[in-house]
Amino acid sequence: EAQVTQNPRYLITVTGKKLTVTCSQNMNHEYMSWYRQDPGLGLRQIYYSMNVEVTDKGDVPEGYKVSRKEKRNFPLILESPSPNQTSLYFCASSRQGYGYTFGSGTRLTVV
Amino acid sequence: AQSVTQLGSHVSVSEGALVLLRCNYSSSVPPYLFWYVQYPNQGLQLLLKYTTGATLVKGINGFEAEFKKSETSFHLTKPSAHMSDAAEYFCAVLIQGAQKLVFGQGTRLTINP
Repeated sequence: EAQVTQNPRYLITVTGKKLTVTCSQNMNHEYMSWYRQDPGLGLRQIYYSMNVEVTDKGDVPEGYKVSRKEKRNFPLILESPSPNQTSLYFCASSRQGYGYTFGSGTRLTVV
Repeated sequence: AQSVTQLGSHVSVSEGALVLLRCNYSSSVPPYLFWYVQYPNQGLQLLLKYTTGATLVKGINGFEAEFKKSETSFHLTKPSAHMSDAAEYFCAVLIQGAQKLVFGQGTRLTINP
């Protein structure tokens, strides 16, 4: 089954403790992207990648890092999480000119 | 800059009634437009998309949308609402060079029995 897999689905952590949210796709898509969803603010792009070793900032990249060492994986790294990064995060992948396929989401709470 | 505006953050219809969710876009180039649905505690699922060709696009679950260039609109419709249609719906435009989706604020659809 074609899908984007994110882990974990739920995560509660403390301020400053580094964490990684994993994302993997099995569709051989070139493009991958991370979004965060917040009430009243909608979905905003954090980072995106056009292919292996090619990444760029989206609209809200501060406090986040990404890497694309393999085509299928695009982890999101929070080096020092803060409470304002409490949000619902989505990973997504696509081919050029097509819509994105989204993962099921990761609900992160930073206390 | 490309953007979308969804009119109405909350729409409520009766079961069996017409569903109409409004989306207007702004784009200096021919747009690629999408509708996504998000059920509670789930990710976003693609309902339908318009890229080129036929302006009336049919999607899953009986939904369709019509691209109207003159009105810069891409409204989503369904002739007869079902209880299972209750969800949040997002219109989006694709910035093709960056392969970036820009979303509207979303419309929460409630179905009354």
